[in-house]
Amino acid sequence: KNQVEQSPQSLIILEGKNCTLQCNYTVSPFSNLRWYKQDTGRGPVSLTIMTFSENTKSNGRYTATLDADTKQSSLHITASQLSDSASYICVVSDEFPLRGGSQGNLIFGKGTKLSVKP
Amino acid sequence: GAVVSQHPSRVICKSGTSVKIECRSLDFQATTMFWYRQFPKQSLMLMATSNEGSKATYEQGVEKDKFLINHASLTLSTLTVTSAHPEDSSFYICSARMSEYNEQFFGPGTRLTVL
Repeated sequence: KNQVEQSPQSLIILEGKNCTLQCNYTVSPFSNLRWYKQDTGRGPVSLTIMTFSENTKSNGRYTATLDADTKQSSLHITASQLSDSASYICVVSDEFPLRGGSQGNLIFGKGTKLSVKP
Repeated sequence: GAVVSQHPSRVICKSGTSVKIECRSLDFQATTMFWYRQFPKQSLMLMATSNEGSKATYEQGVEKDKFLINHASLTLSTLTVTSAHPEDSSFYICSARMSEYNEQFFGPGTRLTVL
């Protein structure tokens, strides 16, 4: 069964500190892995997208890593800010064609809720 | 980046009424739009996939007669929750995809509360 597991479920850190969020997946075949930031009451916003051949990708203070062999990914946030408080969702895309479409399905993790305190 | 809007952002209705939610791609044409539902502390759950000009494809367990989806143009899809009940209260999020790419762009979501 295709699954995406994230840890920790929630995390509280002080402003300015770094943190790392984890994502393990069992999706096969694998197309790409995405990290999204979802503010409370808002839709997800894409942070990074990585394909099989990419090991790391950065977007400002966000750095995602991917180990396709162990099927693990991490999202590292550097010098956290209060505005980083949100849920971070790991999403993996497979390559099975959607019914009526031509692209893969998105399998969502439950997210890690990050709270950055002053 | 591509922008997807939803309207309304928040709606409160009485049990038994119908509610329509609009999803628009503002600066691109979306051949495919997706509707998701998200309960508190849960991940997004795909409800249906909508291709312009054709009937929506519903995920297992989603009642197509209750959640009516119309995708009449390349920039607009609507989700109508018919005869809404309190258990339909949730956060509904749409996303849209350009035909050539795998990237989905998400809307800001609609909070539905059924009293």
